[in-house]
Amino acid sequence: QSVLTQPPSASGTPGQRVTISCSGSSSNIGSNYVYWYQQLPGTAPKLLIYRNNQRPSGVPDRFSGSKSGTSASLAISGLRSEDEADYYCAAWDDSLSVHVFGTGTKVTVL
Amino acid sequence: EVQLVESGGVVVQPGGSLRLSCAASGFTFDDYTMHWVRQAPGKGLEWVSLISWDGGSTYYADSVKGRFTISRDNSKNSLYLQMNSLRTEDTALYYCAKEGYGIEFDYWGQGTLVTVSS
Repeated sequence: QSVLTQPPSASGTPGQRVTISCSGSSSNIGSNYVYWYQQLPGTAPKLLIYRNNQRPSGVPDRFSGSKSGTSASLAISGLRSEDEADYYCAAWDDSLSVHVFGTGTKVTVL
Repeated sequence: EVQLVESGGVVVQPGGSLRLSCAASGFTFDDYTMHWVRQAPGKGLEWVSLISWDGGSTYYADSVKGRFTISRDNSKNSLYLQMNSLRTEDTALYYCAKEGYGIEFDYWGQGTLVTVSS
């Protein structure tokens, strides 16, 4: 039930800035907070951003989130090799009464 | 330290049943809503179900509604997922996740693998 759309892939060289978009609708992103999760290869997902732009303790400030209307984005600045992972956005959907995840974006560090 | 440990994943035939468990520790279990999230092999994350702190409210993804039942036993700090009428498309790694102060999943278990195959 992926109603949030993300680009399948993104890439950059070390030190560059990478941005991942997440497109939804008025019933999810448009009316609720957006969350971002990082999933390193072979591991469980980890909370990266909550309430659109807040970082849990321990998450580097290289990661930042924003939201505008029915879209959101995650930016990774100063890209590092350990940032190679899959990234998912998520939100509650008021119409469906379910949590919805984005389709996921694989970030590659060239 | 918050810990979530899932168990119960096995190989089961289509149409079969299975119960997953999640043992929680390191936090006051009955203060928090809990979730199940799954990930099919090589695929993205799919939210499955949630249960409120007291078990009074439950929600399900359309893909599992009527077949799966989420429950919890606060006296045992445990979360469960009863899975009936299993289909091949239910094959996935099932994660137990704790909800934070908002509706974020702030802690995840390592997952338990369910394979539905004849």
